[in-house]
Amino acid sequence: GAVVSQHPSWVICKSGTSVKIECRSLDFQATTMFWYRQFPKQSLMLMATSNEGSKATYEQGVEKDKFLINHASLTLSTLTVTSAHPEDSSFYICSAREGMGFPNYEQYFGPGTRLTVT
Amino acid sequence: GNSVTQMEGPVTLSEEAFLTINCTYTATGYPSLFWYVQYPGEGLQLLLKATKADDKGSNKGFEATYRKETTSFHLEKGSVQVSDSAVYFCALSSDSNYQLIWGAGTKLIIKP
Repeated sequence: GAVVSQHPSWVICKSGTSVKIECRSLDFQATTMFWYRQFPKQSLMLMATSNEGSKATYEQGVEKDKFLINHASLTLSTLTVTSAHPEDSSFYICSAREGMGFPNYEQYFGPGTRLTVT
Repeated sequence: GNSVTQMEGPVTLSEEAFLTINCTYTATGYPSLFWYVQYPGEGLQLLLKATKADDKGSNKGFEATYRKETTSFHLEKGSVQVSDSAVYFCALSSDSNYQLIWGAGTKLIIKP
């Protein structure tokens, strides 16, 4: 159980275009989903936290107009990278959490999406 | 604020060697502690966790003990295999908002 999928697994796009990445919880309802960015040989950087039906909370330094997050249902969150540039190339990872309180706070991770902007 | 520090990699060992990857943390309150593993080309997987002091998490031959007195959660395995080659992340989750705070990750390379 507790499977999270991401689509696509990799994408190449041209500079200036937008890319949408989907994150789905397949066998549970995710009240909260997280989006991370992972640079080569570095740790995960939390970009934003989204709760179903409400606006995402972005971490300091993350442009909310550039990284649009929508969490429209309990099983789906999307991250749209708008007007992508080469510096947005990275590995984007989502995770999903079933609840808030113990013991449902554990996060389950998607396999990640490799974005390359040319 | 809360933070996690883990030893830099890569760590290179021969098969059947003993493994220790150090992890120390700074946190207020009573955080939960985690080790995640990222195998090549795959997503992050929870390896083990401990939710209170003196708890020992274990899985797949790996174990780590939550030491509040030394604020540590070192990962150990008695005999590593080539298939253990991966990047290992130590993380904590505060008891206030349950967000994960990550260490930098340690790449482990096991040679046959």
